Amino acid sequence: EDQVTQSPEALRLQEGESSSLNCSYTVSGLRGLFWYRQDPGKGPEFLFTLYSAGEEKEKERLKATLTKKESFLHITAPKPEDSATYLCAVQANTGTASKLTFGTGTRLQVTL
Amino acid sequence: DAGVIQSPRHEVTEMGQEVTLRCKPISGHNSLFWYRQTMMRGLELLIYFNNNVPIDDSGMPEDRFSAKMPNASFSTLKIQPSEPRDSAVYFCASSLGSTSGNTIYFGEGSWLTVV
Repeated sequence: EDQVTQSPEALRLQEGESSSLNCSYTVSGLRGLFWYRQDPGKGPEFLFTLYSAGEEKEKERLKATLTKKESFLHITAPKPEDSATYLCAVQANTGTASKLTFGTGTRLQVTL
Repeated sequence: DAGVIQSPRHEVTEMGQEVTLRCKPISGHNSLFWYRQTMMRGLELLIYFNNNVPIDDSGMPEDRFSAKMPNASFSTLKIQPSEPRDSAVYFCASSLGSTSGNTIYFGEGSWLTVV
């Protein structure tokens, strides 16, 4: 059974204080690892997909990396508007319409 | 482009009543997913369809839950009878299936409260 574990559950940073969120996973053949951002009262918003170990992707202050067992979401010099819950999910390599298995997320709060 | 559209956004109903949640996927997408989100369990997949056909409904909690996709642009999730433990946010999502990984896009959710 596919499993995703995210840590920490919650993280509080001051503006400009860089940090990393962790996503550990087990999956029977990885098709893709996904990062989503979710704001209160909203649906998850797609950020990145990573497909193979060693791959990295960046978007503004966010950079996602992938190894064979885990992924990191690095946040550089965060701003208050980066406050949200960040969700990690894996998609198994089974057929053409594969479900996402989600972790429980990391709630990030960035203060002034 | 319009994203995934869900209705209603909020629903408050009494225990025992029937609830129907609706979803319009992104035009051209051929996979549709229903997820449920609670504080305790996070996001859980209930059911997904590929080309309007249910592929995996193993996440549907029990017979009180049913889902249909009569055509490529519409799906419903029905709960009958509803119970307080069904209170959650229900998300519909869609994707364009491919062999190279398919990004799943979510709607804004339907917030269900059963009293």
